[in-house]
This record gives sequence, structure tokens and C-alpha cells, in this order.
Amino acid sequence: IAGITQAPTSQILAAGRRMTLRCTQDMRHNAMYWYRQDLGLGLRLIHYSNTAGTTGKGEVPDGYSVSRANTDDFPLTLASAVPSQTSVYFCASSDSETGGNEQFFGPGTRLTVL
Amino acid sequence: GQNIDQPTEMTATEGAIVQINCTYQTSGFNGLFWYQQHAGEAPTFLSYNVLDGLEEKGRFSSFLSRSKGYSYLLLKELQMKDSASYLCAVRDRDYKLSFGAGTTVTVRA
Repeated sequence: IAGITQAPTSQILAAGRRMTLRCTQDMRHNAMYWYRQDLGLGLRLIHYSNTAGTTGKGEVPDGYSVSRANTDDFPLTLASAVPSQTSVYFCASSDSETGGNEQFFGPGTRLTVL
Repeated sequence: GQNIDQPTEMTATEGAIVQINCTYQTSGFNGLFWYQQHAGEAPTFLSYNVLDGLEEKGRFSSFLSRSKGYSYLLLKELQMKDSASYLCAVRDRDYKLSFGAGTTVTVRA
């Protein structure tokens, strides 16, 4: 693995089903983030984690949960998917201990909820 | 929270210069980022400003005025591959980013 990866690449899901989007990074970054990107709205933060063992709510957290059991992994779970969660989901990570602290993005997961 | 505005679309000719403006209102400013995003791909980092002034990186430059809540991204010597969305993002003191909706730049031959 080099950088940050996400799985699956795309998924079609029936409403009411449970779904976990996976995100893994090998850069030993402290912080990780989940965004959704919708046309005309840009990237919106769902949940974040500043360090392993801690998580926080972003701008649009309802209907989503996360966990951060270790540094590398940051899964996002939709407990009961609804059509409004159709979106492209990006995971990102950053090293909060460096000055520029840019976020590196994974390739994204395109999720369709029917 | 943050309120970030940037134009929706811009069109320019190959070889020309384009300036993308971004204005923001913030409750705790801790840096401004510009990202490039090609269609169907992930955003990639372009530039970072935390102090007032101009940061130059090759054909791309970014300017910040904290007192005015204003930034711009300047793309010089436009190439066809520069056709993409450009995202302005403001970082808060908790290191979280808030993004504008993005500006789609189309470069024409």
C-alpha cells in the first residue's frame, strides 16, 4: 500500500441496508477524515479523528458512525442507508504535527442508495 | 463555522492567465488551502497560505489577505490539463477543513 486507499470503489445499496466503507493509510498520519461530495455543495466533513482512539463529528454526521481502533484504519458505517446518502465519499489523512498539514485524499467510493 | 464563496465556473484560453477568487468568513482561521480536482478523481493539494501575501509555486500562485477574508489562486500559462475544479478550503483551529463548492475551470484551445 502506498498512501491512502478506500474500498469499495463503488457500491449500489438497497435502502435500509448496513454498509461500511473502508479507509486505510500507511503514512502514519495522526488525523483522518471522512467527507461526502455532492454536486454544487462541495466537500462536507462527516466525521474526523485527530488521533487513534478519538473521533469527532463534522458538519453532516447524522446517519454515519466511525471508529479509530488504530492509526491506519478509519471505517465509516451507514447503519441503515437512505437515498439521501447517495454520494461520493472521500477519506483523507494528515500529519497534524507538520506545519503545512495538508490533507491527502483517497480515491473515493461512489455509493448509490436505491 | 466557515462560510466560503468562490465562482462556479470560469473559462479561459490555452496560454492565458486565470484568477479564481475565494472569500470566507470564519470563526477561527488557521490557514487556507487550494486543491485541484479532475473529474472523477480525488482532490490533490496545490497551495497553502497562513500569512498574508503571495505564495508562488511554478505556474500556480496563491494570495491571502486575512483582514479581508480573501484569497485568490492564479493559474498562468494555462494548459489543457489545467481543466479541473479548484477547491478553496479554510482550516480552523482544530485542523478541520471547510471547503467551498469549487470552481470549474475550462481551458479552450
